[in-house]
Formats: sequence, C-alpha cells, structure tokens
Amino acid sequence: KQEVTQIPAALSVPEGENLVLNCSFTDSAIYNLQWFRQDPGKGLTSLLLIQSSQREQTSGRLNASLDKSSGRSTLYIAASQPGDSATYLCAVRGPSYGKLTFGQGTILTVHP
Amino acid sequence: DVKVTQSSRYLVKRTGEKVFLECVQDMDHENMFWYRQDPGLGLRLIYFSYDVKMKEKGDIPEGYSVSREKKERFSLILESASTNQTSMYLCASRRGGRRTGGTEAFFGQGTRLTVV
Repeated sequence: KQEVTQIPAALSVPEGENLVLNCSFTDSAIYNLQWFRQDPGKGLTSLLLIQSSQREQTSGRLNASLDKSSGRSTLYIAASQPGDSATYLCAVRGPSYGKLTFGQGTILTVHP
Repeated sequence: DVKVTQSSRYLVKRTGEKVFLECVQDMDHENMFWYRQDPGLGLRLIYFSYDVKMKEKGDIPEGYSVSREKKERFSLILESASTNQTSMYLCASRRGGRRTGGTEAFFGQGTRLTVV
C-alpha cells in the first residue's frame, strides 16, 4: 500500500527566504507526482505535475524535483512571500485507476 | 482553465437525511473523483468514475453512493447522513481513460458538510 510522508509538518520563515518542502513515498511504481496548494477552508490548487519519466518541473518561483528510484520529491520555493502561506500537499498517482495518494501536508507560514 | 465546481460551499444537514453533493466540470474529463478531508487523516478517496454510468469504490465507500448520468456531472450521495460524515468533501476531475497516466488532476473549492 502506497504511503506518502511530508516533512516538515509545519514551517515558519521570514519573507524572502528560499525554502524546501519534502515528500517521500514508499512505492516507486508511480505514474506521476503532483504538488498542490490549499488555502484554509478552500479546495486544492494544482501547482506542478511531474511525470514519472521527468526529473523536475518549474513554474515561476516554484521548482519541483522527482527521484522516483529513491521515492522522493522536493518543492523549492524561491524568494518566499506572505502570499505563499498555505498548506502544501504532494500526491502520487499509482498504476491502478486514477487514485491519488496524498501526504498530510506541510503548513507554511511566511511572515513579513 | 479547467473549472471544477461544487454546488455548495457549506451545508448543514440533520442525522438521517439523504444528502446530495454535486460536482460539475467543464473540460470534458473522463475521470471524476470524490474525496473527503479530515484533520489528521488527510484526503481519502470515497468513489471515482472513469466514464458515464461507471463507478468504482475508493478506500472509504461505506455510507456513500455516487451517480454519473452525464460526463460533466458527478454526484455524491449520503444515503442516511450521520455525524461521522461531517467533513470537507472535495471533487476532482482528470482527463484520460481508465488506465491513462500522466494527466493533471483538478479540484473543486470543497463543500464543508456538517451533520447535526
């Protein structure tokens, strides 16, 4: 059974810092990995999708990497801003149907 | 942009009521999903559908059913609501056939259901 772990559970940083969020998964037989952002009481916003054959994806100040063989992904946020404060979730899609298995999330707070 | 729309942001229902949660997507996606999200338990898959009138159970289907009569609409039904079904419900959609990998999942804004 796939298990996804995110470290740290919470992170508080001053504005302007570069930061890294970690995601690990137990079964390397994945189709893709997706990073999401969730604001309090809201739905999930897709940030980046990495296919199993890719090593990284970039979107603006966000860069996600994937090392499938070791079961790890990182989300790098450059020059963090208070508006980046949210919960960040990673999810992996395995080979059976379309199920995404989610981590518990990292709660990020960026203070001015 | 893909849009996944859930019919209600907040719902309050009484124990024993039959509850319908509606989800509509506008991008002709084949796959649709219902998750619930609870503190400490994360997101868990209730049901999903890979085609009209097709459905499969997820990890926690007990107490729920679904309906997909049209491609764009996926309904979650609580047959007899109970207090332990108080939760945030999230609908998602994804392009592709049943076994297609590699496509991005998009989520709705969530429905916060309280059963009293």
